[in-house]
Amino acid sequence: DAGITQSPRYKITETGRQVTLMCHQTWSHSYMFWYRQDLGHGLRLIYYSAAADITDKGEVPDGYVVSRSKTENFPLTLESATRSQTSVYFCASSDHQTATDTQYFGPGTRLTVL
Amino acid sequence: GQSLEQPSEVTAVEGAIVQINCTYQTSGFYGLSWYQQHDGGAPTFLSYNALDGLEETGRFSSFLSRSDSYGYLLLQELQMKDSASYFCAVSRANDYKLSFGAGTTVTVRA
Repeated sequence: DAGITQSPRYKITETGRQVTLMCHQTWSHSYMFWYRQDLGHGLRLIYYSAAADITDKGEVPDGYVVSRSKTENFPLTLESATRSQTSVYFCASSDHQTATDTQYFGPGTRLTVL
Repeated sequence: GQSLEQPSEVTAVEGAIVQINCTYQTSGFYGLSWYQQHDGGAPTFLSYNALDGLEETGRFSSFLSRSDSYGYLLLQELQMKDSASYFCAVSRANDYKLSFGAGTTVTVRA
């Protein structure tokens, strides 16, 4: 019962490189989200998805691409990494069935762009 | 647009009570959630209010006043393990996304 996992947990890359962060959930939740967390900004939504092949932009989508070919996976790609994308990235999922809209977060990926 | 305001830091001693306020401006407001995040960890769900009033879950309680666009999280009998960041988040009707506040760092001292 892994729940929601992210890989890698830590990544160092260079400016201009393409990086893909992986997110996998075992609950078959319909909804998935990508956030970035920076000091003083809380959690900012990058992209989200209501189901396989349905994705939409969040608050800070520039420089990121997502796909969702399978319900359980929601990879986030930085097409050409910049220093400003150094952050901690969290993936989350939700089934939207409960009244609370509870989101379940993965452990995060700490990304450093040099 | 949406905005949420919560204090950036709160410090208290073990055994004390801490109240973290959250004010919001959100069109189509549906509910207010609270999440806890320990340093280096992932956010985890704590509490949710959709109706006015107090929800109690053990040592933690959450309150909502829809007319005042205001809520708070009450931490009672503080323990060292309660040192963490606490985020309020709003959900909107017909929308499954959450919008998070910037977070309040609670430090519990011995």
